[in-house]
Amino acid sequence: EAQVTQNPRYLITVTGKKLTVTCSQNMNHEYMSWYRQDPGLGLRQIYYSMNVEVTDKGDVPEGYKVSRKEKRNFPLILESPSPNQTSLYFCASSTGGNQPQHFGDGTRLSIL
Amino acid sequence: GNSVTQMEGPVTLSEEAFLTINCTYTATGYPSLFWYVQYPGEGLQLLLKATKADDKGSNKGFEATYRKETTSFHLEKGSVQVSDSAVYFCASRPGGYQKVTFGTGTKLQVIP
Repeated sequence: EAQVTQNPRYLITVTGKKLTVTCSQNMNHEYMSWYRQDPGLGLRQIYYSMNVEVTDKGDVPEGYKVSRKEKRNFPLILESPSPNQTSLYFCASSTGGNQPQHFGDGTRLSIL
Repeated sequence: GNSVTQMEGPVTLSEEAFLTINCTYTATGYPSLFWYVQYPGEGLQLLLKATKADDKGSNKGFEATYRKETTSFHLEKGSVQVSDSAVYFCASRPGGYQKVTFGTGTKLQVIP
């Protein structure tokens, strides 16, 4: 089954404690992306990757890191999380051009 | 830069009412356009798409037509059901591997 898998689905943690949210896709997609969803703000892109070792900033990259060492994986790293990063996060993947994105089920992060 | 503007929500309709959710875009060139739906507690999933001017995307009774002259991609359904209650996102995607731009989402609530 074609899918995008995010882990964990829920996480409550404290300010400053490094965390990683993993994202894996099994569709051999070149393009992967991270979004955060906040009430009233819709979906905002954090980072995206056009292929292995190729990443670029989205609209809200501050406080986040990503890496793309393998085509299937695109982890999101919060080196020193802060409460304003409390949000619902989605990973997505697709091929290029006019194709739609496939989304994971989301990760709800709470930073206390 | 590219942008997508959606009508503000929430939208509340009675079952069997006609639905329109407005979406307009700005872009250089001719992006592909998408509507995604997010049911409560889930990730986004593709509802329909159109890749060139005058294309009509349709799925599950929903329709949207790519209007180049008005730079619009309004979502319509002739008779909504309670099960259509969800958040709807309009999105545009230029060609290649450029980033996808989402609207802020419109929450639809259908009451019996």
